Amino acid sequence: QVQLVESGGGVVQPGRSLRLSCAASGFTFYNYGMHWVRQAPGKGLEWVAIIWYDGSTTYYADSVKGRFTISRDNSENRLYLQMNSLRVDDTAVYYCVRGYYSGTYPFDYWGQGTLVTVSS
Amino acid sequence: DVVMTQSPLSLPVTPGQPASISCRSSQSLIQRDGNSSLNWFQQRPGQSPRRLIYKVSNRDSGVPDRFSGSGSGTDFTLKISRVEAEDVGVYYCMQGSHWPPWTFGQGTKVEIK
Repeated sequence: QVQLVESGGGVVQPGRSLRLSCAASGFTFYNYGMHWVRQAPGKGLEWVAIIWYDGSTTYYADSVKGRFTISRDNSENRLYLQMNSLRVDDTAVYYCVRGYYSGTYPFDYWGQGTLVTVSS
Repeated sequence: DVVMTQSPLSLPVTPGQPASISCRSSQSLIQRDGNSSLNWFQQRPGQSPRRLIYKVSNRDSGVPDRFSGSGSGTDFTLKISRVEAEDVGVYYCMQGSHWPPWTFGQGTKVEIK
């Protein structure tokens, strides 16, 4: 079965960096685009970033552009989110979400999330 | 960016009664192929979101048939024909017709009266 398991969250000071990881299993990872979506405590869902199946193309939300970098290692079935210059308002649960592949529709599988807390 | 507006934001319901959530987009979600990328998600307390409906009206595998999606253009609706206790949670609509970014509604909290 499809599994997405995020890790790497924690407490970090404003201005510092953190790298999130998502381990994918149960499907052919290199065929699918992948997203990161976040949810601030008690708030709604916010799309963060997408990476194409082959890593060739990425897009970011304006709120993280220039600070966050999405990447993937298809040999290891892993998705990453490098977060630099973290701000208090980046505090959220970050979800790894499966994206598009021919014949399927994106956002069908979500990980359990990893909590990032940015605080001094 | 496409703004998604849900109503109501809070929905108390009696078990066994129907419930309806509206989602409006700031521009038409109809794509060149005639389809609309409008999804509905359920987030139960303490859980990750789960997709219920994709492309306006297609139920995901394992989703009870009391859930249905409809709509076109800018107006969309999620209906629960008979609410059960396990349906408590927050429901989000999300558009994927005009990206990036993919955008979500604010969420509608469904609770049992």
